[in-house]
Amino acid sequence: DVQLQESGPGLVKPSQSLSLTCTVTGYSITSDYAWNWIRQFPGNTLEWMGYISYSGSTSYNPSLKSRISITRDTSKNQFFLQLNSVTTEDTATYYCARWGLRRRYFDVWGAGTTVTVSS
Amino acid sequence: EIVLTQSIPSLTVSAGERVTISCKSNQNLLWSGNQRYCLVWHQWKPGQTPTPLITWTSDRYSGVPDRFIGSGSVTDFTLTISSVQAEDVAVYFCQQHLHIPFTFGSGTKLEIK
Repeated sequence: DVQLQESGPGLVKPSQSLSLTCTVTGYSITSDYAWNWIRQFPGNTLEWMGYISYSGSTSYNPSLKSRISITRDTSKNQFFLQLNSVTTEDTATYYCARWGLRRRYFDVWGAGTTVTVSS
Repeated sequence: EIVLTQSIPSLTVSAGERVTISCKSNQNLLWSGNQRYCLVWHQWKPGQTPTPLITWTSDRYSGVPDRFIGSGSVTDFTLTISSVQAEDVAVYFCQQHLHIPFTFGSGTKLEIK
């Protein structure tokens, strides 16, 4: 079974950077698929943030483009989210999810990790 | 950015009832590559992670019961549950994949009386 698990600090100060890790087990992130970050705000709105594909190419939500970076460590089968200059509006539950580049749907999600931005 | 509107945030119905959940897009979701509409329905049960329910507007994901029916075209899409069961309690949300950024509807929470 493919499993995704998010990890990282639950509290970040405003203006700092938010860094999260998604650890993937049961499937190599270099084999296929795009590996995504999605967040759910209080109030339940979902926002797709971006992905890194199996080849290493990235795609980002234009609303975040100046602040976001998604990278990976193929030796650890992990991918990462960095979001710079956070504000309280970045408080959300962050999910990693797998996207089928040909099937075109999210088929596996992590359980999510809640990040609060507060001083 | 494509905006998806699910106008009904919650529904409470009795088991066995037929339910329709609407999702409206502000743009045509037709992909010229295969002449299909780029609309997915997800089911998010309490305490679980989301799972795909319907892909390409009307294709049931593997293992999804046939009481779940996806339909629609252009900008108007519908998820129908022909006879709601207790295990269908969940939030149902639509998502488009025609253009980056992928976007989601606000979700419709289904509860059983």
